Amino acid sequence: NAGVTQTPKFRILKIGQSMTLQCTQDMNHNYMYWYRQDPGMGLKLIYYSVGAGITDKGEVPNGYNVSRSTTEDFPLRLELAAPSQTSVYFCASRDSYYGYTFGSGTRLTVV
Amino acid sequence: AQSVAQPEDQVNVAEGNPLTVKCTYSVSGNPYLFWYVQYPNRGLQFLLKYITGDNLVKGSYGFEAEFNKSQTSFHLKKPSALVSDSALYFCAVRGPLNTDKLIFGTGTRLQVFP
Repeated sequence: NAGVTQTPKFRILKIGQSMTLQCTQDMNHNYMYWYRQDPGMGLKLIYYSVGAGITDKGEVPNGYNVSRSTTEDFPLRLELAAPSQTSVYFCASRDSYYGYTFGSGTRLTVV
Repeated sequence: AQSVAQPEDQVNVAEGNPLTVKCTYSVSGNPYLFWYVQYPNRGLQFLLKYITGDNLVKGSYGFEAEFNKSQTSFHLKKPSALVSDSALYFCAVRGPLNTDKLIFGTGTRLQVFP
């Protein structure tokens, strides 16, 4: 099925651990995004990419890194997990007509 | 700066009654406006968008939204609510061109009672 696939769906990390949230889309979209959703706060943009090899910071990039080596993949890296990074993370991509597609999310808990 | 506001944290409506979920925006330039719905433990699903054209936009699942430039509003509506419409609804506006992002409201929880 066409869409945005995120893995894992759930993860518990200890403070200071690292992990990579995977995101893959098969719609050949150039634009991809990472958002985090905190209760009562809506979604905040972490990083985005307008094409392979091009990334830029969003509103809340601290503590995260991204790469975009291919059109399909846009992984999000947490280097030193902190409790403040406990959140639900959504990856999204969009087409040229501003049709956005979201993944089903990764629920991350840092303890 | 681009922003969007959803003034109601929760909207309660009886099944079969019309529903409205409010959204106001502030943008420089022409607004690109969106509505998304989120069911528990799920990602966001697209409902509808306004980029240009008719002020009344029809979307998925019988929802529609009216773009009102003078009131800077983009309220989501449905003539007859269903219990299955109960979910979290987000209004969003496209950010500045040089950042290319969606700016989301804080969400409105819609509760439809049987």
